[in-house]
Amino acid sequence: KQEVTQIPAALSVPEGENLVLNCSFTDSAIYNLQWFRQDPGKGLTSLLLIQSSQREQTSGRLNASLDKSSGRSTLYIAASQPGDSATYLCAVRWNRDDKIIFGKGTRLHILP
Amino acid sequence: DGGITQSPKYLFRKEGQNVTLSCEQNLNHDAMYWYRQDPGQGLRLIYYSQIVNDFQKGDIAEGYSVSREKKESFPLTVTSAQKNPTAFYLCASSIVGGQGSYGYTFGSGTRLTVV
Repeated sequence: KQEVTQIPAALSVPEGENLVLNCSFTDSAIYNLQWFRQDPGKGLTSLLLIQSSQREQTSGRLNASLDKSSGRSTLYIAASQPGDSATYLCAVRWNRDDKIIFGKGTRLHILP
Repeated sequence: DGGITQSPKYLFRKEGQNVTLSCEQNLNHDAMYWYRQDPGQGLRLIYYSQIVNDFQKGDIAEGYSVSREKKESFPLTVTSAQKNPTAFYLCASSIVGGQGSYGYTFGSGTRLTVV
């Protein structure tokens, strides 16, 4: 069964620290992997999309890496800010024309 | 700007009523999806459609119905058969086939409350 796991479910870190969020998935033959951010009561905002042929993607202070052989992706947030507080979800698509599978997310709280 | 519009943002339903949630996209995406989100449970797929006039059940389709008469629109009806409809509903769209990044784009959600 294809599954996506995000551990921990919640994380609190002081402002200014660099941090890493983890995503693991069964079956390494993925098509792509997408990281989203969700603020309370809001929709999902796409942060980064990594194709299976790529090893990482960067956007500002965010860097997402992909290691298919180990079934893992990490989202690195540099110099964290209180505005980064949100739930971060990882989603994997295994086939081009198939639906994606979501992890349950990591709820991040940046302490001022 | 292209995107997905969900309406209304908040919706209240009386017991025994059917209600319809709207989802419209101008991204020219072929596929559209409906998810339900409950606290602590993550996103669960209700229905999805990859082409006009065709749709498939997701993991929790019971008590819901959809239609896909136009590429841009994918309304979700929550019927009286859905016993616990209070939740946050999210609509998404994606490219299917052809060229593209195949990422998902989400709307801002509709919060449905049974009163």
